[in-house]
Amino acid sequence: SQQGEEDPQALSIQEGENATMNCSYKTSINNLQWYRQNSGRGLVHLILIRSNEREKHSGRLRVTLDTSKKSSSLLITASRAADTASYFCATDKYSGAGSYQLTFGKGTKLSVIP
Amino acid sequence: NAGVTQTPKFRVLKTGQSMTLLCAQDMNHEYMYWYRQDPGMGLRLIHYSVGEGTTAKGEVPDGYNVSRLKKQNFLLGLESAAPSQTSVYFCATGTILSNEQYFGPGTRLTVT
Repeated sequence: SQQGEEDPQALSIQEGENATMNCSYKTSINNLQWYRQNSGRGLVHLILIRSNEREKHSGRLRVTLDTSKKSSSLLITASRAADTASYFCATDKYSGAGSYQLTFGKGTKLSVIP
Repeated sequence: NAGVTQTPKFRVLKTGQSMTLLCAQDMNHEYMYWYRQDPGMGLRLIHYSVGEGTTAKGEVPDGYNVSRLKKQNFLLGLESAAPSQTSVYFCATGTILSNEQYFGPGTRLTVT
């Protein structure tokens, strides 16, 4: 079952604009992560936000988390053509022996037009 | 360091054939995972391993088997391939120090 659901499914913007993607989830979480996937490649971790955090920054990325609404958003500021990719949120669940299972959403496909 | 590598990159199977996908890591990570990704879907966990000699089922384990005889390798087997197993398969690793996972480049499998 999909825990996270991203919105929108696809987003097209001009270079230099900001891109905002949203993620909603159903059950309580430990942490929420965002990953990027370039076409034909594996996923790359972008940022992790813990359930007791509300906002986190990393370079041009800003992530917010609202546990009362069970939602998160990823903002990419001053977008570049190289940001063109699919973005996935993932929630984690403890699976024993220190390991966490990730449950991914369906992703938002971002196109940044030069 | 190569990180996480997957072999092969592409494969076409006929229904009923078997094959093994290999995931290798040189990161000395404890945890390893196999996911499948279908069009318009996020990744779904097939099986995972928290250490050498241990494996566990994920969300969609049916039709797959796994083995982790060495810490650095995680094998995913299809005993009798079905068209429903046409997908892109990703291996990932993780460490006890972080919830972040590190992904391989993927294997595109087509079953006809």
